[in-house]
Amino acid sequence: IAGITQAPTSQILAAGRRMTLRCTQDMRHNAMYWYRQDLGLGLRLIHYSNTAGTTGKGEVPDGYSVSRANTDDFPLTLASAVPSQTSVYFCASSDFGNEQFFGPGTRLTVL
Amino acid sequence: AQSVTQPDIHITVSEGASLELRCNYSYGATPYLFWYVQSPGQGLQLLLKYFSGDTLVQGIKGFEAEFKRSQSSFNLRKPSVHWSDAAEYFCASQDSNYQLIWGAGTKLIIKP
Repeated sequence: IAGITQAPTSQILAAGRRMTLRCTQDMRHNAMYWYRQDLGLGLRLIHYSNTAGTTGKGEVPDGYSVSRANTDDFPLTLASAVPSQTSVYFCASSDFGNEQFFGPGTRLTVL
Repeated sequence: AQSVTQPDIHITVSEGASLELRCNYSYGATPYLFWYVQSPGQGLQLLLKYFSGDTLVQGIKGFEAEFKRSQSSFNLRKPSVHWSDAAEYFCASQDSNYQLIWGAGTKLIIKP
């Protein structure tokens, strides 16, 4: 089934631990995005990639890193998780300049 | 800087009643505009989009939106809501770097 998959669905993590959220799309979209969604704050862009091999910082990049080794995968890494990174994380992809398609999200709790 | 405003945090309507969700944008040129819906515990799904042309756009699930340049608005409408429309609705505008600028969302509550 075409679309975006994210893993894990949810995770509870101890503060200070490293965590990678996975995102894979099979639509051959050139652009991919990571957002976090927090109550009352809507969606905030963490990092994006306009094409494989390039990445850029969004509105709230601190504490997160991404890589884009190929078209399909766009993992998000928290090098040392902190409680303020408790959130729901959404990955999205798009043909450059067109609408974004979203994954189902990862609910992350950092204790 | 570009911005998107959804003035209503919550809206409550009765099932079968009409709906209008407000969205205002700030952008000098003609923006690309989107409405997304997010059901509880789900990701976001595109309802409709406006790039150019006819200012009244039709979307999925019986929704439509009208682009009004004079009012910098892109309001979402539905003539008769169903209980399954209860969700959060997000308006977004694409900026000059092709990133989406998001509104804060409007939560739609349906009264039986």
